[in-house]
Amino acid sequence: DAGITQSPRHKVTETGTPVTLRCHQTENHRYMYWYRQDPGHGLRLIHYSYGVKDTDKGEVSDGYSVSRSKTEDFLLTLESATSSQTSVYFCAISGTADNSPLHFGNGTRLTVT
Amino acid sequence: GIQVEQSPPDLILQEGANSTLRCNFSDSVNNLQWFHQNPWGQLINLFYIPSGTKQNGRLSATTVATERYSLLYISSSQTTDSGVYFCAVEWTSGTYKYIFGTGTRLKVLA
Repeated sequence: DAGITQSPRHKVTETGTPVTLRCHQTENHRYMYWYRQDPGHGLRLIHYSYGVKDTDKGEVSDGYSVSRSKTEDFLLTLESATSSQTSVYFCAISGTADNSPLHFGNGTRLTVT
Repeated sequence: GIQVEQSPPDLILQEGANSTLRCNFSDSVNNLQWFHQNPWGQLINLFYIPSGTKQNGRLSATTVATERYSLLYISSSQTTDSGVYFCAVEWTSGTYKYIFGTGTRLKVLA
């Protein structure tokens, strides 16, 4: 299994509070991604990173920010959590070689009350 | 941006049956992958297949890039094949930024 660890695995928080989710990889891969999964929407890209301090927006980036200060860590922050951000969040990694697949972490289930 | 559509949205099979899942995309792509999400929520990469055909056991995939579709074949289905199957395509060539279809939910009955 690809070495990807997401933390926490579960979190319940209140509306308006900031929340940070962490993704840690041991594969030294260049690309890291944050997706959210909701019923009826599949997986939607929030942000991704193509290197240390290099990030770009995805399909649903409003209300989220990211940071990548080290190759192995990619943080997702909900600046002021809302109930619409209740979701399962997945981190993924990918290398740069041809034929380099996406590998996913086990997800973080976030509930905003 | 590129659109990705999968069909059928839901599929119920008897164990041992064969099935074909389809992924259509609205623009040319350099990278396409298929994933299986098991009932516990884990996402497993099945194929990296921007073009051509690949096989892995009972599963095979074909991508016809010029016609903008990919097919995933499951033969002799087993209950462990149940879950959701996703295809993902690179949003813009060279970015390694992947967009997912909404998936096909497969249930295999014993």
